[in-house]
Amino acid sequence: GAVVSQHPSWVICKSGTSVKIECRSLDFQATTMFWYRQFPKQSLMLMATSNEGSKATYEQGVEKDKFLINHASLTLSTLTVTSAHPEDSSFYICSARGRQAAYNSPLHFGNGTRLTVT
Amino acid sequence: QKEVEQDPGPLSVPEGAIVSLNCTYSNSAFQYFMWYRQYSRKGPELLMYTYSSGNKEDGRFTAQVDKSSKYISLFIRDSQPSDSATYLCAMSSNYGGATNKLIFGTGTLLAVQP
Repeated sequence: GAVVSQHPSWVICKSGTSVKIECRSLDFQATTMFWYRQFPKQSLMLMATSNEGSKATYEQGVEKDKFLINHASLTLSTLTVTSAHPEDSSFYICSARGRQAAYNSPLHFGNGTRLTVT
Repeated sequence: QKEVEQDPGPLSVPEGAIVSLNCTYSNSAFQYFMWYRQYSRKGPELLMYTYSSGNKEDGRFTAQVDKSSKYISLFIRDSQPSDSATYLCAMSSNYGGATNKLIFGTGTLLAVQP
């Protein structure tokens, strides 16, 4: 149980274009999803927390207009990197917490999306 | 000072060795402790989940939590080359409800040599 699927696994885009990453909970309803970014040999840095049907909460230093998060259903959240630049190249990972899960339950992660901006 | 400190390694051990991985933390509100394993270019996979102080064993893995010292450990017995990965500690408090966040260590890169 608690399978989280992320798509695409790898994307290359040109500078100035936008890229959308999808995160789906396959066997449970995810009321809360978390988006992380991970640079090479570094830990996961939380970017934002999204709750189904409401606006995402962004961590300090994360531009909400650049990283658009939509959590329109209980099984899907999307992260759109707008006007991407080479410094946005990173590994983006989502995780989800289910409706029935306790607030202190561990998170289950997707397999990540490697974004390369040329 | 970071909330969670973890030696990034790399740590290289021979096959069959006992591996000890550790994290220290500064926030006394943390009560839930996790260890994740992350293979290259993959998402983290949950290995162990513990609450408060004590030990928990699952197969070759043992997690220890010492809240008085703000120190957690993961032991891997009879290590295998397939254990080669980055190991991340993570922890959380009681606060925030459903949006309760995990705070991660930097991860320790482990290489088990055959």
